[in-house]
Amino acid sequence: VQLQESGPGLVKPSQTLSLTCTVSGGSISSGGHYWSWIRQHPGKGLEWIGYIYYSGSTYYSPSLKSRVSISVDKSKNQLSLKLRSVTAADTAVYYCARGLYYYHSREYYFDYWGQGTLVTVSS
Amino acid sequence: QSVLTQPPSVSGAPGQRVTISCTGSSSNIGATYAVHWYQHLPGTAPKLLIHSNTNRPSGVPDRFSGSKSGTSASLAITGLQAEDEADYYCQSYDSSLSAWVFGGGTKLTVL
Repeated sequence: VQLQESGPGLVKPSQTLSLTCTVSGGSISSGGHYWSWIRQHPGKGLEWIGYIYYSGSTYYSPSLKSRVSISVDKSKNQLSLKLRSVTAADTAVYYCARGLYYYHSREYYFDYWGQGTLVTVSS
Repeated sequence: QSVLTQPPSVSGAPGQRVTISCTGSSSNIGATYAVHWYQHLPGTAPKLLIHSNTNRPSGVPDRFSGSKSGTSASLAITGLQAEDEADYYCQSYDSSLSAWVFGGGTKLTVL
């Protein structure tokens, strides 16, 4: 399984950041996995943004919930991230990742990741 | 400030054993939520090393092991090799934040 993020590397403040993750070597539609977006601010740790299941069911980090939406295009085997009203604080490397999720225990870990794409928010 | 606390750096000579700690609280590791570990070389895709506290995915050498006790977890690496030089991150669930969280990362230097 391979994941590849793509999208603009530069976004202006107050605009919407839009990224796509193309999955190869496996089908999003096969189920059993929850697909996430994760970011890493420069020089900082990782921050989980949200996940989507192939059915379209989503869950977002409460800290970003008001600005985030994640969608899936099963025909293209892609997932997408939209982050609205961005500021410089949203400058980060954005990763997509495939995860295994066990609801009752809240156990969720990521077995495949993309290489990440740097998005800079600047005018 | 990350919810899970890791030392910024650790180091060891080839062949030695090092451990990386991940300290949480009663709302994450202490609440029995599982801990997972990743290895990351900048510019590449992070790699899952340990899942569910102690389990190694297929292909991960048995030099890597995980443990958990109370509000902390640890990653141990034995027989250090130059290729182990990377950043390491722990991850768990936090019930107060209702989100999955990561540690701040630890840079391992092989001397």
